[in-house]
Amino acid sequence: SAVISQKPSRDICQRGTSLTIQCQVDSQVTMMFWYRQQPGQSLTLIATANQGSEATYESGFVIDKFPISRPNLTFSTLTVSNMSPEDSSIYLCSVESDPANEQFFGPGTRLTVL
Amino acid sequence: AQSVTQLGSHVSVSEGALVLLRCNYSSSVPPYLFWYVQYPNQGLQLLLKYTSAATLVKGINGFEAEFKKSETSFHLTKPSAHMSDAAEYFCAVSEGNFNKFYFGSGTKLNVKP
Repeated sequence: SAVISQKPSRDICQRGTSLTIQCQVDSQVTMMFWYRQQPGQSLTLIATANQGSEATYESGFVIDKFPISRPNLTFSTLTVSNMSPEDSSIYLCSVESDPANEQFFGPGTRLTVL
Repeated sequence: AQSVTQLGSHVSVSEGALVLLRCNYSSSVPPYLFWYVQYPNQGLQLLLKYTSAATLVKGINGFEAEFKKSETSFHLTKPSAHMSDAAEYFCAVSEGNFNKFYFGSGTKLNVKP
């Protein structure tokens, strides 16, 4: 199994600012995923991040709002831009296992926007 | 299109009682099904998964789930609840390539002493 860490674990931010969340994996993985878990709700996939190519965004999510970087096979960042209170959520990264039959999740970043 | 429905956002059982958490799915292709558990302030941990082998799947911590194609269900059970089972449980379905997961809305399990 993969060990995934995220930074920061939580943050409180002001409206209009941006926050970059880091995701580090202890092994090389092809695909990394970013999810959002809004208060009291389930997980929603934001985008899939492959190394060496642009992220693929799900319906309702756009690159200008959630830019993603994937500079190598063990690291990715998600930026939440121009934040509003509606962005208050837990953001989780995950990776596809090898062999590919499940996903492993990081501990999440709990974001509160005031 | 894939979707998951979890009946009951909150389930409360007494310690030692049977745990039953319901999950129904819709899928246009043979599904792969998962149950994850999320403890407070932690990430998701895989409990068990169905990937087209045995329909009765055993997972960690005494949990098991049965894939019933005719009922499009994948309910999670545990014969005897423990206080440490109190957490939120998510059912998920994946397309065949495992890189798109669709999660249910979650069920919070409360275990009473």
